[in-house]
Formats: sequence, C-alpha cells, structure tokens
Amino acid sequence: GAGVSQSPRYKVAKRGQDVALRCDPISGHVSLFWYQQALGQGPEFLTYFQNEAQLDKSGLPSDRFFAERPEGSVSTLKIQRTQQEDSAVYLCASSLGGYGLGSNQPQHFGDGTRLSIL
Amino acid sequence: AQKVTQAQTEISVVEKEDVTLDCVYETRDTTYYLFWYKQPPSGELVFLIRRNSFDEQNEISGRYSWNFQKSTSSFNFTITASQVVDSAVYFCALTGANNLFFGTGTRLTVIP
Repeated sequence: GAGVSQSPRYKVAKRGQDVALRCDPISGHVSLFWYQQALGQGPEFLTYFQNEAQLDKSGLPSDRFFAERPEGSVSTLKIQRTQQEDSAVYLCASSLGGYGLGSNQPQHFGDGTRLSIL
Repeated sequence: AQKVTQAQTEISVVEKEDVTLDCVYETRDTTYYLFWYKQPPSGELVFLIRRNSFDEQNEISGRYSWNFQKSTSSFNFTITASQVVDSAVYFCALTGANNLFFGTGTRLTVIP
C-alpha cells in the first residue's frame, strides 16, 4: 500500500492476556519505529529498527514488551501479560533511510492500534 | 535530554481567524531537526514541515507559516484564515538519537 498499515485497528484484551500488534511499513523504508500514545499525550518512543536490526529499544517500558522485524519489513509488537496501564494507542512509523542523530527524514505514521485492557 | 513544550493545551477560534501554535524546545545538540505533525480524529499523524537547526529562514506554504527562532528555542506554527478542516491536534517534535521527541500537543478547534 501507499502508507503505513497497522492491524488490528482496535484490540480489547483482558488483563494478563498476550497481544500482538502488526505494522506493515511503506515499501522500501529502512527505518521502522514504534511509539506509545496515552490519551491526551504526545507519542512516546518505544523502539527502532533499521532493516531487521533492533538498534534502540530504550523506550520499551518493561520486559513484557517485545518487538521484532525478522525480514526487515513487517514488524510485530508483542505485549505479554498485559496490564491496565498498557492501554494506549500504539503507533508505527517508517522512514526511507537509516535514522541517526540529527536525521532530517520525516517519519510516516500509520493510523495506530488502540489497545484497551480490561 | 531533548524536551518539547507546547504550553497551549486547547485553542478555539472562529473560522477565518488566524491562529498561532507555540512550541519551545530544549536540546544540547548542535545539529537537530524540528517537525510539526497534525493528528486529525482518524488518529494518523500527518507530517507538515521539518526545519533544520541551521536554517532560521521562515517558511510559508499556502495558509501555513512557520517561525523558527534559535535564540529563543521556539518553532511556532501559524494558520492563516483557519478552516473547519484544520481542527485537529498539532504536535511539535524534535529529533533525538534514534527517534522523535513529541510535545503534548495543542488541540485546535475551528468553529464554523
């Protein structure tokens, strides 16, 4: 597709369940990012991939959060043993080249997955 | 550490009024980029503009204009003759090592 595609659009899970969120970046984009956006807040960085390599996972809030991009295209964000504080919109973004300090490349975002933990 | 402050939480204007959204940033980097994104109710963040730290020339694009002042660490965004379709949350963002740092956003409501 032309843009970043995320699925599902909405996900409701019971506390303690595992969830998996999918991101399909723009074709050919090297960099892929995951952000978490709480209600009324700006997006907060979770993790960054350059191709299949996860170069930065400093934003992952706990070891319950795990992300992968095995073939350098589609990425999955997995949250194990979900808790209520995990409820948020999870945004995926991609950019054309490799990212780095002072990079000027705009990140293109998907519509996000709204996760609600009951 | 990078920080972006958008002090205006919500702004309401009547259609055709001009409106300015403020953004103040903090960074120790000498090279950095600033961005504005728009988030309509659908949720997708739409890229509007980027500006690098060495280019303080202001820019106008249609009804949008941006005022970057390095001396005050500000990167303000003005919409001229606002329209109802401009209603959205607007985010200012600053580059970090491997990501963007976002402000908390300003919700703009344009009243018909």
